[in-house]
Amino acid sequence: AQSVAQPEDQVNVAEGNPLTVKCTYSVSGNPYLFWYVQYPNRGLQFLLKYITGDNLVKGSYGFEAEFNKSQTSFHLKKPSALVSDSALYFCAVRDYKLSFGAGTTVTVRA
Amino acid sequence: DTAVSQTPKYLVTQMGNDKSIKCEQNLGHDTMYWYKQDSKKFLKIMFSYNNKELIINETVPNRFSPKSPDKAHLNLHINSLELGDSAVYFCASSVNAGPGSYEQYFGPGTRLTVT
Repeated sequence: AQSVAQPEDQVNVAEGNPLTVKCTYSVSGNPYLFWYVQYPNRGLQFLLKYITGDNLVKGSYGFEAEFNKSQTSFHLKKPSALVSDSALYFCAVRDYKLSFGAGTTVTVRA
Repeated sequence: DTAVSQTPKYLVTQMGNDKSIKCEQNLGHDTMYWYKQDSKKFLKIMFSYNNKELIINETVPNRFSPKSPDKAHLNLHINSLELGDSAVYFCASSVNAGPGSYEQYFGPGTRLTVT
């Protein structure tokens, strides 16, 4: 079965600093990997996806993610975090269904 | 225009009651889903419909019955509600159901509280 793991429950950064949210995956075959963000009391919003091609994927709101096959990782990054980036972030992998990681709560302090 | 909408947003009810949650998408997608998010924020798929046909049923109790009258609507009916059914239920849709790349678009969620 395909799965993803998010090793950190929480990530705290200061505004303006780089933000990284970690994700590792376990798949058989080619991985289809996604990042979603959930703001308080809202539904999930799609940020970006990796299907094939460039290992660096650019997405919404200035986020990007780096696919690393040798380390089986798909970390989400933002060069300069904003307070408004504070939210719950989910990594996900898709075969016949979308399987989510447990989520990482990001807090960006002013 | 809201892409994926759900009603109601909040639902408070007593154990043993029957309730329904409705979902509509105006994106022209072929596939719709129901997810359950528990109190620890863990998300798990419950059902998926493709063009009104059930394609995923993830060992959900029989008390939960999805219905898709057309490909733009997917409703969730829950019989004999239990305390453990308290959660946030999300509807989502995607272009299709293939094991590929299509991202899913989520509704705002329905917070169900069973007392």
